[in-house]
Amino acid sequence: EAGVAQSPRYKIIEKRQSVAFWCNPISGHATLYWYQQILGQGPKLLIQFQNNGVVDDSQLPKDRFSAERLKGVDSTLKIQPAKLEDSAVYLCASSLVSTGDNEQFFGPGTRLTVL
Amino acid sequence: GENVEQHPSTLSVQEGDSAVIKCTYSDSASNYFPWYKQELGKRPQLIIDIRSNVGEKKDQRIAVTLNKTAKHFSLHITETQPEDSAVYFCAASTVSNTGTASKLTFGTGTRLQVTL
Repeated sequence: EAGVAQSPRYKIIEKRQSVAFWCNPISGHATLYWYQQILGQGPKLLIQFQNNGVVDDSQLPKDRFSAERLKGVDSTLKIQPAKLEDSAVYLCASSLVSTGDNEQFFGPGTRLTVL
Repeated sequence: GENVEQHPSTLSVQEGDSAVIKCTYSDSASNYFPWYKQELGKRPQLIIDIRSNVGEKKDQRIAVTLNKTAKHFSLHITETQPEDSAVYFCAASTVSNTGTASKLTFGTGTRLQVTL
């Protein structure tokens, strides 16, 4: 089966600019996650969707980050305006359901550099 | 919320030796503990997981142990090979704030280097 797809793979922007990332989960996976992975650290959950509804966005900096999954499939994550500390790899993951011990499958990530 | 600590941050072993990575978690309600391997520039991939009703699980050269009382879990790799070199992350699954879903909290990672 096809894996989680993300684009772009790399993005370089200047601070205060805006950027958007796209994710297409594995077909049939109801749950979609966006993680931020800063160099040398583990992935940190930003937001979790169950179909097109948000189930956890407690660690999303809502003053500058937004995410949507309008039709319950693809998702976009936006940063506006970007700060230097937003430089990281943004990983999208999906799982079949949202509860219990369900394996999360990760996409290749988008490496964001903010200058 | 959940806090997962992971040690050591770096580990160097000779080929054929064993490697052990340890994690502790804070939320006694956590019930699922996966381990991910991330090679340089690549995505994290699940290598083994353990559920809270099991104390140990083994898959070829990889094993994971869980001590719920102490809130510890460990990854054991035996007969290490150069291709085992990567960053390994532990994680713990807890119920989200809404109570309707589980989320993973990751450790800070261990960079394993297997030398010839």
